[in-house]
Amino acid sequence: DIQMTQSPSSLSASIGDRVTITCRASQSIRRDLNWYQQKPGKAPKLLIYAASHLQSGVPSRFSGSGSGTDFSLTISSLQPEDFATYYCQQSYSTLWTFGQGTKVEV
Amino acid sequence: QVQLQESGPGLVKPSETLSLTCAVSDFSISSGDYWGWIRQPPGKGLEWIGSIYHSGNTYYNPSLQSRVTISVDTSKNHFSLNLTSVTAADTAVYYCARQTTVVTPPNDNFDYWGQGTLVTVSS
Repeated sequence: DIQMTQSPSSLSASIGDRVTITCRASQSIRRDLNWYQQKPGKAPKLLIYAASHLQSGVPSRFSGSGSGTDFSLTISSLQPEDFATYYCQQSYSTLWTFGQGTKVEV
Repeated sequence: QVQLQESGPGLVKPSETLSLTCAVSDFSISSGDYWGWIRQPPGKGLEWIGSIYHSGNTYYNPSLQSRVTISVDTSKNHFSLNLTSVTAADTAVYYCARQTTVVTPPNDNFDYWGQGTLVTVSS
């Protein structure tokens, strides 16, 4: 299995802050990395696919970067609706795996 | 806009079989793409269970493979999950999702999700 490790597990931030979440794969996954946002009681929502491509309808304050084993998700200016849990997910192998999640809270 | 809706019992007894169906609307399953099941135990992270193509081709998480069957009914435009011999560890919110393939750049992802359904395993 390809293990996905996110850091930090949680973070406190304020409106307007620049926030960065990292995700590390246990082996190279090229750029086969997706990011999801999940709010309490809701299904995950796709934000970024193929490491850096913004899903349609997602605000441009979200961006992704990285390749190989190290990736990051950045929110350039945190908005109230961005408080949520974020997951990375690799689609390099047919055994799809997710990171453990990063909770962004006030 | 693709819509997915899970349905099935919210309570299953230990050792019995968990059965869920995902109804897809505003998109034909036969058009392509894979369709997947993902679960999330209360307060925990996401675990991919398995995926199916409209032709019936499947692939499963090896950790669950011995207990999982995913099937598709294109005439009803839905796909289903069966998980046998459940225990309390199978208590989770179960999501169905469309697993789309992007050509450029090459990528697979879950772009549409159902709202999820909580299944509790308890006697």
